[in-house]
Amino acid sequence: NAGVTQTPKFQVLKTGQSMTLQCAQDMNHEYMSWYRQDPGMGLRLIHYSVGAGITDQGEVPNGYNVSRSTTEDFPLRLLSAAPSQTSVYFCASSLRRRLTTHNEQFFGPGTRLTVL
Amino acid sequence: GQQLNQSPQSMFIQEGEDVSMNCTSSSIFNTWLWYKQDPGEGPVLLIALYKAGELTSNGRLTAQFGITRKDSFLNISASIPSDVGIYFCAGQLKSGNTGKLIFGQGTTLQVKP
Repeated sequence: NAGVTQTPKFQVLKTGQSMTLQCAQDMNHEYMSWYRQDPGMGLRLIHYSVGAGITDQGEVPNGYNVSRSTTEDFPLRLLSAAPSQTSVYFCASSLRRRLTTHNEQFFGPGTRLTVL
Repeated sequence: GQQLNQSPQSMFIQEGEDVSMNCTSSSIFNTWLWYKQDPGEGPVLLIALYKAGELTSNGRLTAQFGITRKDSFLNISASIPSDVGIYFCAGQLKSGNTGKLIFGQGTTLQVKP
């Protein structure tokens, strides 16, 4: 298993540009989520999905869209990038939403995004 | 919103020393997790706790799920240089259905050989 993969690893955008951050997992996990990490603030939930075709907003969803057309993929779209979206973005997945023994949440390596 | 207060914010210790860090909250959690993040990498799960009072070890690491369900601590014994990194606590709330993990602000650990 490759686990959770994310592309690209680094990205620089200009204000107003759009782009998609890719996330994929090969563990047949139902639950996938996107977090952003900012200095001194830990990780904050952007959007999540409990299965193909089902998505919902997290704590900081504004400026981001997601879709879940397959179990494996959960892309994050920035519609019109702003400097406030400069951050490190992590995708995570788990077998199910409620964490229990043998149902742990795994993180991808992250995408480092800079918006100028 | 819900918050986890993680302390200390940073530690600079000598190789061989023991390390202790903790997380506290005013909310009740079903699950406590401890992650380590190396520079340029994603968080890697160290220890997961699912029951109040649970004490779990992973090599030199020991973590406990507080009896009140509102806190957790992580101990690292006999630290070595490769323990350097940022340690995060994370909790999944007893209430709510988003599956969201709430993260502490992190403890940056530096180990002097």
